[in-house]
Amino acid sequence: DTEVTQTPKHLVMGMTNKKSLKCEQHMGHRAMYWYKQKAKKPPELMFVYSYEKLSINESVPSRFSPECPNSSLLNLHLHALQPEDSALYLCASSQGLDITDTQYFGPGTRLTVL
Amino acid sequence: GENVEQHPSTLSVQEGDSAVIKCTYSDSASNYFPWYKQELGKRPQLIIDIRSNVGEKKDQRIAVTLNKTAKHFSLHITETQPEDSAVYFCAASKTGGFKTIFGAGTRLFVKA
Repeated sequence: DTEVTQTPKHLVMGMTNKKSLKCEQHMGHRAMYWYKQKAKKPPELMFVYSYEKLSINESVPSRFSPECPNSSLLNLHLHALQPEDSALYLCASSQGLDITDTQYFGPGTRLTVL
Repeated sequence: GENVEQHPSTLSVQEGDSAVIKCTYSDSASNYFPWYKQELGKRPQLIIDIRSNVGEKKDQRIAVTLNKTAKHFSLHITETQPEDSAVYFCAASKTGGFKTIFGAGTRLFVKA
């Protein structure tokens, strides 16, 4: 399996909802990433997990809460989001030896916050 | 801070022509340079990458060149086809660093 998968593909939520985004890979990669991408912009790093431990948090608001239950799964828990959080949320994975390992992206979850 | 500048922001070419996208990086320690293609509504897909120990790499119609002295690298697409239309992102990272720095993207239009 050479793909990163993400669910759901689309998500619409109100500002008081709690939802979760899921990411899965079966390539044996030990680093997993969450990125946020706004229209016509490059991906913006949010979190990095390396060997199931959170190694980087790019000053992301606490309404975004990552979780890495095991080496194949990565979740992003969402709570009390704002309309400006609407974006494409991309998961990526890499071997995990170094940041210069090639990153492979999932298809993304398009999130709309009403 | 670390920065990657990408030009042009938009590029329109006729089918069959070549397209060139250029990026400049600020951190001389950068040693890995991937290029991603992102079609509308799709994921960024790695199309080619180069490491600092080589100056050029080619894969069919796509090539990347790296000039470490000038700190710039370029993507060359020959014999462009309409399906090459997409946004292309360059990026840079370095061994021991903590994140990949992306360029702002180039929207390529290939006219049939």
